[in-house]
Amino acid sequence: AQSVAQPEDQVNVAEGNPLTVKCTYSVSGNPYLFWYVQYPNRGLQFLLKYITGDNLVKGSYGFEAEFNKSQTSFHLKKPSALVSDSALYFCAVSGAGGTYKYIFGTGTRLKVLA
Amino acid sequence: SQTIHQWPATLVQPVGSPLSLECTVEGTSNPNLYWYRQAAGRGLQLLFYSVGIGQISSEVPQNLSASRPQDRQFILSSKKLLLSDSGFYLCAWRTGYNSPLHFGNGTRLTVT
Repeated sequence: AQSVAQPEDQVNVAEGNPLTVKCTYSVSGNPYLFWYVQYPNRGLQFLLKYITGDNLVKGSYGFEAEFNKSQTSFHLKKPSALVSDSALYFCAVSGAGGTYKYIFGTGTRLKVLA
Repeated sequence: SQTIHQWPATLVQPVGSPLSLECTVEGTSNPNLYWYRQAAGRGLQLLFYSVGIGQISSEVPQNLSASRPQDRQFILSSKKLLLSDSGFYLCAWRTGYNSPLHFGNGTRLTVT
């Protein structure tokens, strides 16, 4: 079985400060990991993915994520937060063991304060 | 380019009425298709997924069903809605299991 956990319901950060949104995963086999962002009353938008290779993955809007196999984590980061980054962020896992299931975490609400 | 259409955007239905939500994808062939439900703006619950015409995998036993009558069409149905069926329903597609999902804009269903 595959799953992801997002331990924080909400993260508050001041504009201009670095941000981190946490995600841990549990899979048998190599994970395919993803981050998405959701704005109110909209579908989710893809930010970045880790399939294999470099542990630091760069994505859209200045976001990046660090894959850590020993800690089974895939934290989302951004060096300098913007107020417009305020949204709901989801971590997801798919493809482990050849399954087509695509499982999301519970989401973390990011609030960037001006 | 590929696009996904999901309709209607909002729907208010009485308890016990039937439901049909439709999702179509353009610009790709043989996509993997997914239905999710999101309650109260939080986690996404995987309801159904399909890897081909007529192939439906159900994740949660409930009074909903899904069908894929054509390659790029995915339909979510119910014969009799319950209050607990209220939520934000999202359709999504992708090309393979290491590919990202592409979402429609969702349908907000309120069962009264």
